[in-house]
Amino acid sequence: KNEVEQSPQNLTAQEGEFITINCSYSVGISALHWLQQHPGGGIVSLFMLSSGKKKHGRLIATINIQEKHSSLHITASHPRDSAVYICAVKLRDKLIFGTGTRLQVFP
Amino acid sequence: DTEVTQTPKHLVMGMTNKKSLKCEQHMGHRAMYWYKQKAKKPPELMFVYSYEKLSINESVPSRFSPECPNSSLLNLHLHALQPEDSALYLCASSLRGLAGAGVHNEQFFGPGTRLTVL
Repeated sequence: KNEVEQSPQNLTAQEGEFITINCSYSVGISALHWLQQHPGGGIVSLFMLSSGKKKHGRLIATINIQEKHSSLHITASHPRDSAVYICAVKLRDKLIFGTGTRLQVFP
Repeated sequence: DTEVTQTPKHLVMGMTNKKSLKCEQHMGHRAMYWYKQKAKKPPELMFVYSYEKLSINESVPSRFSPECPNSSLLNLHLHALQPEDSALYLCASSLRGLAGAGVHNEQFFGPGTRLTVL
């Protein structure tokens, strides 16, 4: 069993829909990253959080440390949001990555 | 300057070649990382430099040789690679070195070098 599990693995949406991607982890962590990777591209850090909720534009990330669960929400989704979204947890000196959620938003 | 840059963007090399990947940041970060990412897989950590010293080597084969000449620059020297080493190589940096880094030591990633070994 992976230490970091994401769901769903694949997600398609129509432009404008509200999207939720979930991340569950089984280890004690100090922080959690949400990352975005476009096809063939590098990785962009969206959020790093250790408690509560963060918002940046149309993106919202929440974390519940007791339940070992985090969610990434995208409001008013747009085709340019199509990418792989990766959850990564910080465990001591390392990041442990989830397998990613591949999101496609259609016009 | 708030980004991590990597050169080259693409590299094709034969199994007998020697080449180097370069990573640079001017954010004053004191930890730098090399990751390898195969298609449709998450990144795998290879090396971590903290305060210009190699802190973590994830049992990477010796045909990959990292170097950190100064706090802004990280190289990955490649020699006698195999076709299975073809991947996207990502560099990242974070503000603090690993010791006592604490919670808020966010990693910033570069765009990657796509390596093909023939």
